[in-house]
Amino acid sequence: GQQVMQIPQYQHVQEGEDFTTYCNSSTTLSNIQWYKQRPGGHPVFLIQLVKSGEVKKQKRLTFQFGEAKKNSSLHITATQTTDVGTYFCAVGNNRKLIWGLGTSLAVNP
Amino acid sequence: EAQVTQNPRYLITVTGKKLTVTCSQNMNHEYMSWYRQDPGLGLRQIYYSMNVEVTDKGDVPEGYKVSRKEKRNFPLILESPSPNQTSLYFCASSLSEGRQPQHFGDGTRLSIL
Repeated sequence: GQQVMQIPQYQHVQEGEDFTTYCNSSTTLSNIQWYKQRPGGHPVFLIQLVKSGEVKKQKRLTFQFGEAKKNSSLHITATQTTDVGTYFCAVGNNRKLIWGLGTSLAVNP
Repeated sequence: EAQVTQNPRYLITVTGKKLTVTCSQNMNHEYMSWYRQDPGLGLRQIYYSMNVEVTDKGDVPEGYKVSRKEKRNFPLILESPSPNQTSLYFCASSLSEGRQPQHFGDGTRLSIL
């Protein structure tokens, strides 16, 4: 079945440093979603990418969808302590989503 | 306020004692699903429902049942809970299908002793 690999599993940064997490698939994706889960919280939808080569920005967050639609990245510029949490990518079809295992981000103030 | 409500938030119970985790959404969403989240295993889908009276198995359905008699409610039933079902459970809903943005409940932490 469809799988999505997410790396790294953990990332520890100093506040102000940048952070990137990657999702990779062996198959072409129709779309990819990104979620954030704060410690003790539930996943919260951030964005969905659909088009090849698409780049979307939300303040300090930049999301990219690869030209071949087999990979995606989430980049955070100048991390803040409020960015702490686990970031998940999810891919799917009309019936279900397949989730990456997530990247847990820790930020040292 | 648009929300997905799960109850209970926490439950400690014993092996074999039937339990139900309720999930209700007020957004008139057609698609609902249940996930369990375990350390190192991420989010795994248990069951999903495309609409009223339409349910199907996800990736880890063994030991669970669901029903969708009304659009807003999607209860998760553990007929005979076992310790390996100790987990954090999330209910989620979306407008009409799985690949649309999912709205999650706050989660239910189940401990089966």
